[in-house]
Amino acid sequence: GQNIDQPTEMTATEGAIVQINCTYQTSGFNGLFWYQQHAGEAPTFLSYNVLDGLEEKGRFSSFLSRSKGYSYLLLKELQMKDSASYLCAVGNNNDMRFGAGTRLTVKP
Amino acid sequence: ETGVTQTPRHLVMGMTNKKSLKCEQHLGHNAMYWYKQSAKKPLELMFVYSLEERVENNSVPSRFSPECPNSSHLFLHLHTLQPEDSALYLCASSQDRGRGSPLHFGNGTRLTVT
Repeated sequence: GQNIDQPTEMTATEGAIVQINCTYQTSGFNGLFWYQQHAGEAPTFLSYNVLDGLEEKGRFSSFLSRSKGYSYLLLKELQMKDSASYLCAVGNNNDMRFGAGTRLTVKP
Repeated sequence: ETGVTQTPRHLVMGMTNKKSLKCEQHLGHNAMYWYKQSAKKPLELMFVYSLEERVENNSVPSRFSPECPNSSHLFLHLHTLQPEDSALYLCASSQDRGRGSPLHFGNGTRLTVT
């Protein structure tokens, strides 16, 4: 089976850095995805890691350690618009399974 | 046109009604999915279609019936639903099933069963 865990809620200050962790157990691993979902909107794809290491994309970076079943999403220079839920998802050979999401609140 | 379009955006139905949710993707993708999103729960995968063939059905109750007439369209037919079926239903597509293809989601249908 699959188990994907991430914190339920986090709060951070505008301009700061926040790291959202995700741990997973799965079979047939085929990549780790991060999605952003604003309230009332569809999830949108942020990043994809299939090899160990850090992938940087502007203010957002994502890290993967396959041996540890661990990933994190790093958000720098936080903006108010970054307030959203961040979903960790694991792809296998057949489909994609999601964690419950981390609701991030950015405060002034 | 947006990549994945879902209609209706909101739906209220009684337990004896029959309704259908519609999804259309304009991305040329080969796989389409139905997910259910309930408050504070992970997205639950309901159905997967790859090249118009249903390849997964995650023990979803028979009151939910999917249909994929072609690679661009996906329906979810609903009948005799229960109040606990109230949720956000999200359609998604991807280039291929698995293989690291990211999902592209529609805006969802907010379903309320009374």
